[in-house]
Amino acid sequence: NAGVTQTPKFQVLKTGQSMTLQCAQDMNHEYMSWYRQDPGMGLRLIHYSVGAGITDQGEVPNGYNVSRSTTEDFPLRLLSAAPSQTSVYFCASSLGGASNYGYTFGSGTRLTVV
Amino acid sequence: GNSVTQMEGPVTLSEEAFLTINCTYTATGYPSLFWYVQYPGEGLQLLLKATKADDKGSNKGFEATYRKETTSFHLEKGSVQVSDSAVYFCALRANRDDKIIFGKGTRLHILP
Repeated sequence: NAGVTQTPKFQVLKTGQSMTLQCAQDMNHEYMSWYRQDPGMGLRLIHYSVGAGITDQGEVPNGYNVSRSTTEDFPLRLLSAAPSQTSVYFCASSLGGASNYGYTFGSGTRLTVV
Repeated sequence: GNSVTQMEGPVTLSEEAFLTINCTYTATGYPSLFWYVQYPGEGLQLLLKATKADDKGSNKGFEATYRKETTSFHLEKGSVQVSDSAVYFCALRANRDDKIIFGKGTRLHILP
């Protein structure tokens, strides 16, 4: 049981480049989310999905796109990378919407934009 | 709105010391409460949780009690080890279909 798998683990981009961060889970979880973690800022929600075909914005969605065509996958697209998007990105999933369900996190993608 | 406030770090303790990391929350209804731990270079892992008032969550020697009267969920451990050095996040999930709300995290350093 792999849990939540994120690829790549590290990435360096030049300003203006685009890329996709991959996230896959094998637990048949309904909910999936993307967070970014910056020093002193804690975790900030970028986008989330409550099921295949359904996505919504979090608190910092600008510059990012998501789609959810299958239950398993929830890729995050950076449209035109900026130095302000240098961060560690975490994908998380949850079995469902019940309040007692916690999140399972991936190991993260460390992104540097130069 | 719903929110979580936890003590700022870093917290530095000697090995075998007693640990308390304070966490208070604001939420409507009866939220579930969580503590997550993040070891260096890794993602967050669920450490323990409590889903109703007076519940005690426990794991790996850590404990936290859901106190509705004080809206608190303080994390405690009786004797910390160097391997407990990590960042600890308090979190809540208030109602069905709500997202989890995280505190800003508390960095813990344990000295040998």
